[in-house]
Amino acid sequence: DADVTQTPRNRITKTGKRIMLECSQTKGHDRMYWYRQDPGLGLRLIYYSFDVKDINKGEISDGYSVSRQAQAKFSLSLESAIPNQTALYFCATSTFRGFSGAKNTGELFFGEGSRLTVL
Amino acid sequence: SQELEQSPQSLIVQEGKNLTINCTSSKTLYGLYWYKQKYGEGLIFLMMLQKGGEEKSHEKITAKLDEKKQQSSLHITASQPSHAGIYLCGAGRTGTASKLTFGTGTRLQVTL
Repeated sequence: DADVTQTPRNRITKTGKRIMLECSQTKGHDRMYWYRQDPGLGLRLIYYSFDVKDINKGEISDGYSVSRQAQAKFSLSLESAIPNQTALYFCATSTFRGFSGAKNTGELFFGEGSRLTVL
Repeated sequence: SQELEQSPQSLIVQEGKNLTINCTSSKTLYGLYWYKQKYGEGLIFLMMLQKGGEEKSHEKITAKLDEKKQQSSLHITASQPSHAGIYLCGAGRTGTASKLTFGTGTRLQVTL
């Protein structure tokens, strides 16, 4: 089983609909992130959370909201989807480098992505 | 924010050829991460560089960070079809992976 699981993997919806993308992890990491990927624009950070009670906006948070229901769960919501939110969405986790010594590079562990199409 | 430029944007090489992908920053890189993405799939961590002049290798992939810590290169020796995908560099403001900023990616195709 994947350490970082995203659901759904694919979703087609219509403009104005509310959509929720869910992410769960079994890595025990405290930090979770939502990114979106668009052709030619790379990955851009939407929201991130360093702890259950900590939620922060990324560079493109407008039109999105998140909920950190538990350490292992971080969901992304589009309250009223619009076509330019069509993208590949990634959830990722990490842990603070200082906790695990020199072998922990602090890298992000990604889910397999959720492809969202808004018509 | 840390802006990262990758070059080239896309690359087609014949199997067995060497290639280099570059990642350049306008600011000092305190932690530079290389990832590989198979088309439409998640990202796989390759290597992380932190010190100026640092070089790391994994199988046929070598990554370097220049002394000024503003440019990194990823070199693949004797490319294989399994190397095909999108390569992304990411960097943070510190040595952790918090709030990584990513480059736009380099799409690599390896022909037979």
